[in-house]
Amino acid sequence: EAQVTQNPRYLITVTGKKLTVTCSQNMNHEYMSWYRQDPGLGLRQIYYSMNVEVTDKGDVPEGYKVSRKEKRNFPLILESPSPNQTSLYFCASSGGGFNEQFFGPGTRLTVL
Amino acid sequence: GNSVTQMEGPVTLSEEAFLTINCTYTATGYPSLFWYVQYPGEGLQLLLKATKADDKGSNKGFEATYRKETTSFHLEKGSVQVSDSAVYFCALIDLKTSYDKVIFGPGTSLSVIP
Repeated sequence: EAQVTQNPRYLITVTGKKLTVTCSQNMNHEYMSWYRQDPGLGLRQIYYSMNVEVTDKGDVPEGYKVSRKEKRNFPLILESPSPNQTSLYFCASSGGGFNEQFFGPGTRLTVL
Repeated sequence: GNSVTQMEGPVTLSEEAFLTINCTYTATGYPSLFWYVQYPGEGLQLLLKATKADDKGSNKGFEATYRKETTSFHLEKGSVQVSDSAVYFCALIDLKTSYDKVIFGPGTSLSVIP
């Protein structure tokens, strides 16, 4: 089954404690991205990657890092989380161009 | 720059009512247009799309027509069901200005009551 998986689905942490949210897709997609979803603000892109070792900033990259060492994986790293990073995070992948994006189930992060 | 505007929600309808969710866009090039749906507790999934002017996308009883003259892509359904309760996002991709980047609208929440 074609899918994008994210882990963990829920996470409560404290300010400053480094964390990683994993994302993996099994569709051999080149393009992957991370979004955050906040009430009243819709979806905002954090980072994206067009292929292995190729990443670039989206609209709200501050406080986040990503890596793309393998085609299937695109982890999101918060080196020093802060309360304003409390949000619902989605990973997505696509074959590029006008192809649809496939979204993961989301990770709800709370930073205390 | 490119942008997508949607009607504000939340929208509440009775079962079997007619649904319209308005979407207009601004784009430099010739975008493809999408509607995504997010059911409670889930990620977004593609509902329908249209890649050029006058194309009509359709799926699960929903339809939207790409209107270049009015830069619109309104979502319609003739008879909504309780199971259609979700958040709906209009989106575009404009390859001329930003390869692969999807521009999402803010989303419109729909509640259908029995």
